[in-house]
Amino acid sequence: QLQLQGSGPGLVKPSETLSLTCTVSGASISSSSHYWGWIRQPPGKGLEWIGSIYYSGSTYNNPSLKSRVTISVDTSKNQFSLKLTSVTASDTAVYYCAMEGSMGAGIRVFNYWGQGTLVTVSS
Amino acid sequence: DIQMTQSPSSLSASVGDRVTITCRASQSISTYLNWYQQRPGKAPKLLIYAASSLQSGVPSRFSGSGSGTDFTLTISSLQPEDFATYHCQQSYTTLTFGQGTRLEIK
Repeated sequence: QLQLQGSGPGLVKPSETLSLTCTVSGASISSSSHYWGWIRQPPGKGLEWIGSIYYSGSTYNNPSLKSRVTISVDTSKNQFSLKLTSVTASDTAVYYCAMEGSMGAGIRVFNYWGQGTLVTVSS
Repeated sequence: DIQMTQSPSSLSASVGDRVTITCRASQSISTYLNWYQQRPGKAPKLLIYAASSLQSGVPSRFSGSGSGTDFTLTISSLQPEDFATYHCQQSYTTLTFGQGTRLEIK
């Protein structure tokens, strides 16, 4: 059974860097043909895709956040990580890690999700 | 980016009702449209992909339709566990989601 577990600080100060890690169990990131992604949800609002990474390290990110986002992968630990720099209060959200699957012909879905990590940006 | 607009933003209905939620794209996305269900405090769950294909394990009372810019999610007979928030998501270009539709018990 594939599972994703996000972890990281729940409180980050303004202007600092938000860092989260997602640990995958039940499948190997490096033997999978999937991308692994980050999605966030501000309190009471909709979902926003942040970016995704392949086990090779190839990434693609949301242009609206691109300059502040770094997504990396550590296949030895079966983990992938998110760094978001220069955070402000508007980055307060629940951050989800998820497996991005292809259902054929470019149909990309998120079919396995972590439990979500609430990150609050406040001094 | 392609903007996804859901309507209504919230909806009240009763067990047994037939409910339809609409998702409109700001430009044509063919059938690159997926639907998710999110219960309070939980991660989203994939229901429908490619506009009308039912994800494995999802009850058949859920169905999706549409192509181009206009899409619908229909629940044929609401069950208590269906009261949740529903999100659409397009994968035609940069992945974007709708703002969500909250389905509440009347």
